[in-house]
Amino acid sequence: GEQVEQRPPHLSVREGDSAIIICTYTDSATAYFSWYKQEAGAGLQLLMSVLSNVDRKEEQGLTVLLNKKDKRLSLNLTAAHPGDSAVYFCAVALTNSAGNKLTFGIGTRVLVRP
Amino acid sequence: EAAVTQSPRNKVAVTGGKVTLSCNQTNNHNNMYWYRQDTGHGLRLIHYSYGAGSTEKGDIPDGYKASRPSQENFSLILELATPSQTSVYFCASGDVGGRGEQYFGPGTRLTVL
Repeated sequence: GEQVEQRPPHLSVREGDSAIIICTYTDSATAYFSWYKQEAGAGLQLLMSVLSNVDRKEEQGLTVLLNKKDKRLSLNLTAAHPGDSAVYFCAVALTNSAGNKLTFGIGTRVLVRP
Repeated sequence: EAAVTQSPRNKVAVTGGKVTLSCNQTNNHNNMYWYRQDTGHGLRLIHYSYGAGSTEKGDIPDGYKASRPSQENFSLILELATPSQTSVYFCASGDVGGRGEQYFGPGTRLTVL
């Protein structure tokens, strides 16, 4: 089945710097790609989703890049601020996934230092 | 207003006891999901549902049952709780054509002693 590897597990950056998180997946039939943010003690919040026909998407200081050839998905937090400190998860789903089931990465804990 | 709610938010149970975790969504989504989150494992799918009356096994269903009595409600049932089921449980909802987007509740922290 689909496997997703996410790195790094921990990331510490200064306020204003960029933070980049990378996920790789195994199944070429993967069609849906999304990023979630989890703040302490809370559930996962959907940040951004892209379809397989999208290479790049930018929204509100976040950039998602999709490289289908290398089966790699990345999230770039540009100009990070302390409010970005959280755990970030990538998630993918296959085109024919029953129930739109997601496979999650293991998460990246991001700390943005003032 | 929160669209996916869970109750209880915290629960302490004894080994061998029965535990029911409840989830309610106001998104009018057909699909609902139960996950557990453990350090080092990320989120793992326990059960999911396509709609009222349906339940499907996820990746780690052993020791768990699910019930979907209505579009809005989805329960996770531990008939005989064990300490290995100590975890944080999340419920989520998603649309059938939702491109893999899911909307999560705040979680239930379950401790089985």
